[in-house]
Amino acid sequence: ETGVTQSPTHLIKTRGQQVTLRCSSQSGHNTVSWYQQALGQGPQFIFQYYREEENGRGNFPPRFSGLQFPNYSSELNVNALELDDSALYLCASSYPDRTDTQYFGPGTRLTVL
Amino acid sequence: AQRVTQPEKLLSVFKGAPVELKCNYSYSGSPELFWYVQYSRQRLQLLLRHISRESIKGFTADLNKGETSFHLKKPFAQEEDSAMYYCALSGRNAGGTSYGKLTFGQGTILTVHP
Repeated sequence: ETGVTQSPTHLIKTRGQQVTLRCSSQSGHNTVSWYQQALGQGPQFIFQYYREEENGRGNFPPRFSGLQFPNYSSELNVNALELDDSALYLCASSYPDRTDTQYFGPGTRLTVL
Repeated sequence: AQRVTQPEKLLSVFKGAPVELKCNYSYSGSPELFWYVQYSRQRLQLLLRHISRESIKGFTADLNKGETSFHLKKPFAQEEDSAMYYCALSGRNAGGTSYGKLTFGQGTILTVHP
């Protein structure tokens, strides 16, 4: 059983650019959640996807958007990057009806200059 | 609104000493509480959840609804317990199923000295 994978590991962008981060869920999982973790802080919930539909959103502006694909892989897109978007982005997947147990990926470190 | 507070950013103990990591929460509905752990150079992983009432690696945590707390305890700390610990909360729907949308505290770095 493979774990949750994320790509890229890290990347650097400049303010105003757009970025796409990718997540491959653990086998059998159909729910994926994305979190933003700023330096020295706990992860903050961005949104969750279930069966390719957004299923809840945290306090993040619309320039944060996502997609989930039929194979349960997922993307996080951020438009008009701001300096404060610099953070570690984590995705977590879970089994159907077992969202109480989430399996986290290693994260993507985004730096916005 | 839901909120999780971990008052200690750093906690240091000696091997064999008891350890308690504090967590307080606020949530208007029926919460589900978790402790997640991140060891050095590893990914975030679930340590335990209150609904299971289990002991993992010697750690236990009891949900105290009156004090809105979910402190993590271990009677005898080991060096391998050194890690970052996060307390997290999720709401539950009427059927008791977790929403799975976690609110995390800021984390406590536990260091166990030999």
